Formats: sequence, C-alpha cells, structure tokens
Amino acid sequence: DTGVSQDPRHKITKRGQNVTFRCDPISEHNRLYWYRQTLGQGPEFLTYFQNEAQLEKSRLLSDRFSAERPKGSFSTLEIQRTEQGDSAMYLCASSWGRSSSYNSPLHFGNGTRLTVT
Amino acid sequence: DQQVKQNSPSLSVQEGRISILNCDYTNSMFDYFLWYKKYPAEGPTFLISISSIKDKNEDGRFTVFLNKSAKHLSLHIVPSQPGDSAVYFCAASGDDMRFGAGTRLTVKP
Repeated sequence: DTGVSQDPRHKITKRGQNVTFRCDPISEHNRLYWYRQTLGQGPEFLTYFQNEAQLEKSRLLSDRFSAERPKGSFSTLEIQRTEQGDSAMYLCASSWGRSSSYNSPLHFGNGTRLTVT
Repeated sequence: DQQVKQNSPSLSVQEGRISILNCDYTNSMFDYFLWYKKYPAEGPTFLISISSIKDKNEDGRFTVFLNKSAKHLSLHIVPSQPGDSAVYFCAASGDDMRFGAGTRLTVKP
C-alpha cells in the first residue's frame, strides 16, 4: 500500500489553458474524492466516485471542470480555460465504503498545487 | 455556508502541556466526526474519529470529545510534543464531509 498518489505535484499554467491532474487511489478503496483547498481554508468538496460512477458533484464544480474514473481505478480532473481563481491545491482522497454515508476516514494524497498566471 | 467552524486560527502551547483544539458544527445530521493533521507540502492525514453514538474516543495521546447538544467537538493532545506542530482540521460527515478552516498548533520545546 503506497497511499494515494497525485501527479503532478505542481502545475503552473497561463490563463485560458487546459490542465489535467491524475490521482491513483489506494488499490483496495472503492471511493475516490476530489477536494480543493485555498490558503487559510479547509478542503472543499468537488466531486466523488464510487467505483467508476460519479455520484456527486458540488455546485463549486463549474462546467469547466470535469472528472473521470475509467474502470474504477485512477481518476483524472481536467480544468478547461483556466482562470486565476482556479489557483489552489487540488487534493484527491480515497476510502472504502458500502453505504451512501461518509462513515470512514478519507486518505488524502499530497495534492497538486495549481498556479494560474 | 460554513457548517464546520474552527474559530481559533492558531494555538501555541509548551511541550508537555495539554493542547485543546475546538470545533463547532451547525448541521445536526452530521453523524461522524474526524480530526486530520496536515504538515506543509503534504495532504491531510487522518488522526482520530468519533461516531455520534459516542461522546469520547481515545487513541494514545489523542482524545476526541463530542458534545452533541452543544454541537461541539474537541481534540485533546496530552502531552504535547514539538512533532505535533501542524495544522489540524476537524471534519464532520453525513451525506458529505465538510471541513473546518483549520487551527495551526505550535508546540514549543
């Protein structure tokens, strides 16, 4: 068990460009989450997968954001036409769960820090 | 809307003393509560949790207390060690998981 892995660790991009982040969860975990964290704030929920199905999306997730989890393994988060307000730490987490409730700890990766210039 | 609040952005304690971190929540549907620790350049690491059917959970130096009537939980670290210096987030979950803004704990040798 190598933990949750995220790639890249840092990404600097110009406004208007598209970026894609990857997350590899803990292999036994069926749930995968994306969170965003800005300075001085706690993680904010973006979206969540159970296996390959995207079950929930926050209203924070604009149409420019899309996430996939093909085959229920790794996940990608794409941001199209980036804006300076997208600059943040993007955190991926995974967990094991059967019911719809969040009743087990999330295991976080070290995040991808996005800077939009 | 901030459903989970950590009103103290920072806390400083002396090594060996008790650290008490506080958290308040507003949603009575939350039924599972957690504390995470975060070091710089790393993701949050799960520390300890408590179900709403309990009022206390202990794991070594860490104890979490839950007061459902007050919608308040706290994390006690005894004795505090310099390696405990980090940002601590409380989280509450039900249909989703919400995080507080964090408290930066500094333990001075």
